[in-house]
Amino acid sequence: DTEVTQTPKHLVMGMTNKKSLKCEQHMGHRAMYWYKQKAKKPPELMFVYSYEKLSINESVPSRFSPECPNSSLLNLHLHALQPEDSALYLCASSQDGARVTGYTFGSGTRLTVV
Amino acid sequence: RKEVEQDPGPFNVPEGATVAFNCTYSNSASQSFFWYRQDCRKEPKLLMSVYSSGNEDGRFTAQLNRASQYISLLIRDSKLSDSATYLCVVNMEYGNKLVFGAGTILRVKS
Repeated sequence: DTEVTQTPKHLVMGMTNKKSLKCEQHMGHRAMYWYKQKAKKPPELMFVYSYEKLSINESVPSRFSPECPNSSLLNLHLHALQPEDSALYLCASSQDGARVTGYTFGSGTRLTVV
Repeated sequence: RKEVEQDPGPFNVPEGATVAFNCTYSNSASQSFFWYRQDCRKEPKLLMSVYSSGNEDGRFTAQLNRASQYISLLIRDSKLSDSATYLCVVNMEYGNKLVFGAGTILRVKS
């Protein structure tokens, strides 16, 4: 079982809806990440939080809004999405030095925008 | 040039075969390297880190060649359960950002 928990596992939303994806880890990791993965493509980085502060935003559209309420939780708020935003959204965490240890991924939220 | 490049495959091999994947990276300042495995519709899982001296974990051996900026993964005695996409992952020199290659598909057949 993964030590990074993501909810929900599946989400279908309309283009006018507001929804949130949630991610939780209890490994004491201080860095957390959101990745987006389209079919047959590698994961693409969206956001990095380090010590609860946003450290990297990969020019993600403002309809995606990340939030890190504490060191164990990471949210991704969604608003006015487009059908092309349909993808697998992966949360990951690492000890602060991901360079050394790599990431642990959650099982993802499969998002469909209709 | 892409930051991390892999041959997408697929590599179709019989059970028991030895198969090798290579990956090249563009940033000579990169410090850390990993191989991840991803099964269909699942999340990527860390297979092994890649160290300068090379490292082995059972049937899997990873090598790093800094001079030529490539890493490799060797799988011996392939099992049906090894069928998956293998992702080469490299850190960028700044922060905690890891960049994924496009992945190499392996299909092991009986």
